[in-house]
Amino acid sequence: NAGVTQTPKFQVLKTGQSMTLQCAQDMNHEYMSWYRQDPGMGLRLIHYSVGAGITDQGEVPNGYNVSRSTTEDFPLRLLSAAPSQTSVYFCASRPAGGDEQFFGPGTRLTVL
Amino acid sequence: KQEVTQIPAALSVPEGENLVLNCSFTDSAIYNLQWFRQDPGKGLTSLLLIQSSQREQTSGRLNASLDKSSGRSTLYIAASQPGDSATYLCAAPRADSGNTPLVFGKGTRLSVIA
Repeated sequence: NAGVTQTPKFQVLKTGQSMTLQCAQDMNHEYMSWYRQDPGMGLRLIHYSVGAGITDQGEVPNGYNVSRSTTEDFPLRLLSAAPSQTSVYFCASRPAGGDEQFFGPGTRLTVL
Repeated sequence: KQEVTQIPAALSVPEGENLVLNCSFTDSAIYNLQWFRQDPGKGLTSLLLIQSSQREQTSGRLNASLDKSSGRSTLYIAASQPGDSATYLCAAPRADSGNTPLVFGKGTRLSVIA
């Protein structure tokens, strides 16, 4: 199993550009989440999903959209990037019957 | 609302010392608590998961304890090594969302000096 994969690893955007951060898992996990990690702020939850077709907002959802059309994929969309969205983004997944969460390697995003 | 706090924020110890990292949480009605390790520029690696019915979990030189009544968890590292240098994060589930997703502490940055 590849586990949780994220692409790209690095990205530089200009203010106002849009992009999608990809997250995929091959473990058939129902629960998936997106976090951002900023210095001094720790990891904060952006959006999460408890299964295909079901998503909900986390602590810092503004400026981000998600959808969950398949169990495997949970993309995070930035519609109009802002410098405040410069961060490291982590995707995580967990099986429905388990408690341990597994994280991807992260995407480092810089918005100029 | 679940809040997780980790003390100290940074810790430097000589190689071979035993050490304890602390984690406190505000809502004791948690399903579990998870400890992670994060190396610089890398993702999070799960170290230990303690269920609410357990008091301890051990993996090698690591031992994590959970005291729900006091809202505390500790991560004990025995005979520390330079390779243990990393940031250690604890996380507990949000109280209003069952056992997912997680609320994280800001971490303890550990340096083990050879």
